[in-house]
Amino acid sequence: DAGITQSPRHKVTETGTPVTLRCHQTENHRYMYWYRQDPGHGLRLIHYSYGVKDTDKGEVSDGYSVSRSKTEDFLLTLESATSSQTSVYFCAISESGQREETQYFGPGTRLLVL
Amino acid sequence: AQSVTQLDSQVPVFEEAPVELRCNYSSSVSVYLFWYVQYPNQGLQLLLKYLSGSTLVESINGFEAEFNKSQTSFHLRKPSVHISDTAEYFCAVTFMNTGFQKLVFGTGTRLLVSP
Repeated sequence: DAGITQSPRHKVTETGTPVTLRCHQTENHRYMYWYRQDPGHGLRLIHYSYGVKDTDKGEVSDGYSVSRSKTEDFLLTLESATSSQTSVYFCAISESGQREETQYFGPGTRLLVL
Repeated sequence: AQSVTQLDSQVPVFEEAPVELRCNYSSSVSVYLFWYVQYPNQGLQLLLKYLSGSTLVESINGFEAEFNKSQTSFHLRKPSVHISDTAEYFCAVTFMNTGFQKLVFGTGTRLLVSP
């Protein structure tokens, strides 16, 4: 199994509070991705990173920010959580972002915003 | 528009029966095609992928998928399913006009195998 951990694994928070999710990898892969998984939508890309301090938006980036200060860590922040951000969040990594590569996924973080 | 469609949200099947999970995509450019599987309470893991060459690709656990360019499809099949195949299956596509591996996922098909 690829060395990807996510923390926390479960979180309950209140509307309006900031939340940070962490993804940590031990594979030294260049690309890291944050997805959200919702019923009827599959997985949708929130943000991705192609190196330290290099990030870009995905298709559902509104309300989210990211940071990558080290190769192994990719943080996802909900600046002010809303109920629509209740979801399961997955981090993924790939070696160099080439289109044919396999993406490896973490175990997910289940977030409930009340 | 570039999109991926999995029309079946849930497929119930009896153990040892054959199954086909359908995936269609819409694209005006070349694609790479993937099937990922998600077992309960886990992340996704690659089942198989088509990049080029033979249009039939196989996984180590008996699944196979066939790329049909004219039908823009990449259906997943298994001739005889096991209880342990119960999971959610996602078709995903990378389109050649993106600068990196941007995976576009279908909405998933939940395979329910019963005894």
